[in-house]
Amino acid sequence: DAGVTQSPTHLIKTRGQQVTLRCSPKSGHDTVSWYQQALGQGPQFIFQYYEEEERQRGNFPDRFSGHQFPNYSSELNVNALLLGDSALYLCASRSEGAYSYEQYFGPGTRLTVT
Amino acid sequence: DAKTTQPPSMDCAEGRAANLPCNHSTISGNEYVYWYRQIHSQGPQYIIHGLKNNETNEMASLIITEDRKSSTLILPHATLRDTAVYYCIVRGVDSWGKLQFGAGTQVVVTP
Repeated sequence: DAGVTQSPTHLIKTRGQQVTLRCSPKSGHDTVSWYQQALGQGPQFIFQYYEEEERQRGNFPDRFSGHQFPNYSSELNVNALLLGDSALYLCASRSEGAYSYEQYFGPGTRLTVT
Repeated sequence: DAKTTQPPSMDCAEGRAANLPCNHSTISGNEYVYWYRQIHSQGPQYIIHGLKNNETNEMASLIITEDRKSSTLILPHATLRDTAVYYCIVRGVDSWGKLQFGAGTQVVVTP
């Protein structure tokens, strides 16, 4: 059973560009959350998707947007990249119906903005 | 969700128990205490959670004080693979997907 998978592993972009990161949840999971982790800090919640809708959102600007597909996979889009967007982007999944307590995290995508 | 306070770092000898403290003095009655850890270059990993009672699983034990204002995560026999950043998180029942991570405690297990 594959856990949470993310692609790509690493990415280098230029300031002002746009980027799309992808996440496949653990089998049987239907809820996906995205986190941003700057170097030396704990992960910060960006938003959560359930039933293809954004259900919760953290304190991130509208440049950060997402999407969830019918197969529960998800994308994180960041427009007009800033140098400060350089970070590890983590995806986490859980099963809403199973009333589970734990979230499973993927290995992350390391984004570098130059 | 209530905030948590953890020491920034601690060392532990291999084979010894590691006791990681966490202060959550503003915790509400329906908020759970969760512990995650993050090994370098990996995503965070769930360890354990609790509400009022002490909890134990194959990875660790969680001791919550009677007033619930603090807790301790115990790794009974630390190994080198337990070297990681450990996060104590308080989460309400209405925020299933949102985990508020702090800076955590960097634990280094030495031979």
